[in-house]
Formats: sequence, C-alpha cells, structure tokens
Amino acid sequence: AQRVTQPEKLLSVFKGAPVELKCNYSYSGSPELFWYVQYSRQRLQLLLRHISRESIKGFTADLNKGETSFHLKKPFAQEEDSAMYYCALSPHNFNKFYFGSGTKLNVKP
Amino acid sequence: GAGVSQTPSNKVTEKGKYVELRCDPISGHTALYWYRQSLGQGPEFLIYFQGTGAADDSGLPNDRFFAVRPEGSVSTLKIQRTERGDSAVYLCASSMGAGPTDTQYFGPGTRLTVL
Repeated sequence: AQRVTQPEKLLSVFKGAPVELKCNYSYSGSPELFWYVQYSRQRLQLLLRHISRESIKGFTADLNKGETSFHLKKPFAQEEDSAMYYCALSPHNFNKFYFGSGTKLNVKP
Repeated sequence: GAGVSQTPSNKVTEKGKYVELRCDPISGHTALYWYRQSLGQGPEFLIYFQGTGAADDSGLPNDRFFAVRPEGSVSTLKIQRTERGDSAVYLCASSMGAGPTDTQYFGPGTRLTVL
C-alpha cells in the first residue's frame, strides 16, 4: 500500500543552521514526489517537485529510490521558513496525491 | 487573480444531518481534487475530477460521501447522515491539468464540525 511517512512532528532549529525534513515513502511503482508548505494563516501551496529538479527558497530535495526517501534540505534556515511542511506522492497519472502527516519547522532567532 | 474559493468557511451541523460543501476552482482549471484533513494529519485524498467526470473516487470513505461537478467548474461535496468522525477540514484544489508540471492550487478549506 502507498504511504508517506514524515517521522518528525516538530523540528526546531536556530536561524542559520542547516535543516533537513525527512520523508520516506512506500509505493509499488515509480511515483512523483512533492513538498508542500503551509505558512501560518495561509493556504497549502506547492514548494517543489522532484521532476523539476528545482531549488525553491533555498530548499532542495533529493529522491533516493534505494532508500525510498525524499528529504527536504536547506543549508541555512531563516525565520521565515517556519511553517508546516508536507511531503506528498502521486502516481504518474496524477489522479490522486498521498500526503504525509507533516512536520512543523520552527526556526528560532 | 482569484484563487480557489470554498464556502462556507465553517459549518457546524448535528449528527445525522446532510451537508453540502462548495468549491469554486480557478477559471480554466480542468482538474479538481477534494481532500479531507483531520487534526494533526496531512490531507487525505477523496476524489479527483477531470472536467465534469469523477476520474478517481477511490478515496471516498463510504457511500455517504458524494461529489459532483456538473459543468466542469464548481464542485459540491455532499455528505449524508453526518457522523462525528466526519469532523475535519475539507480542502479543494484545482490545477490546469493533471500532468507532471501542473500545480495544484488549494482553497482555504471548509471546517466541518459535527456535534
């Protein structure tokens, strides 16, 4: 069965420190992977997708098919990065998305 | 431009009642998704529309849940005989299409409380 696991409910780091939000998945096939972010009092929005190999707001995510992971990383966290982050998976036809339970990132000054 | 809108923003109902939740997608978006988000959880997929048709309704939990999109734009999620366990935030998202570079845009959600 398909599953997205985010093992950390809360991650606190100091400004300027590196941050890594973990995401592991299980899926019978080769899914597409995404990271979504929800800032305080804002809507859920796409942060980045694996297929675009992009870096958004300094964040990158590497797909490791051997470990079935798609961890989100940023070398130097900023206070404005404080938000709820969700890892998500979709089959190739994009007819549905499976989300993890989310990690709340708190960047302290 | 206008984003995805959802009405009502909050709905309180009693167990056993019928509710309708509305989603207005971004104009021109053919793909529309409904999700349910319970406290402390991520969004849970319910149903996906491509145009007017429900292309995937495998996430609907039981036959009390039904959704329509008759003209390929506005969608309504209908819940019959509501139960306390239906209490959650119901999210709607739309995208231009359902392809690898299409982006889902989420609405603000409807918070449903079943007493």
